[in-house]
Amino acid sequence: QSALTQPPSASGPPGQSVTISCTGTSSDVGAYNYVSWYQQYPGKAPRLMIYEVSKRPSGVPDRFSGSKSGNTASLTVSGLQVDDEADYYCNSYAGYNNVVFGGGTKLTVL
Amino acid sequence: QVQLKESAPGLVKPSETLSLTCTVSGDSISDYHWSWIRQPPGKGLQWIGYIYRTGVTTYNPSLKSRVTMSVDTSKNQFSLQLSSVTAADTAVYYCARPRLVGNTSGAFNVWGLGTMVTVSS
Repeated sequence: QSALTQPPSASGPPGQSVTISCTGTSSDVGAYNYVSWYQQYPGKAPRLMIYEVSKRPSGVPDRFSGSKSGNTASLTVSGLQVDDEADYYCNSYAGYNNVVFGGGTKLTVL
Repeated sequence: QVQLKESAPGLVKPSETLSLTCTVSGDSISDYHWSWIRQPPGKGLQWIGYIYRTGVTTYNPSLKSRVTMSVDTSKNQFSLQLSSVTAADTAVYYCARPRLVGNTSGAFNVWGLGTMVTVSS
């Protein structure tokens, strides 16, 4: 299984929206509605932000939303805030209890 | 509230076996599929594998030949062994738990703090 493809970086000014893509294949992202997104600050463990493509765990602001089309999933952060600046990772179920992560995207709030 | 804590030697010599243990507190091992995930310095996350309380495992195909996971329900711990390590195995190693019992979809909502393991002579 190959890593999912994410852009290395994304950016936007405070208050604006930014979308991060996560491209896989018909064996992972395209095959299952099991895409998750994580936020990670430097030196910290990842935090689950989105699961099952578009569901938010309790405590995650509704400024974070997820979607999927074909083999590509997306995370949209609306109303960007300074503390949204972090690394974001997607992962997907890949069948037979396997999981594959994306390479990560560094989000900069300009 | 469930908490996970990784313990590890910190430094492992090339060609030797890396051994990590994750201690679960605030909940029992119960029916979750517990996982190991690692992150090389400055790089992305890599899922290593799952272990269930019965000892049933699933490993990342790219690491399968070198990975062994085990569980000790009496101690509420699960462990990772990675053999024949090289510098490429230098990483922060996390243990993690999915958000739901029986779930293996990759939605991990509980993570340990992570432990840095360096492979060097």
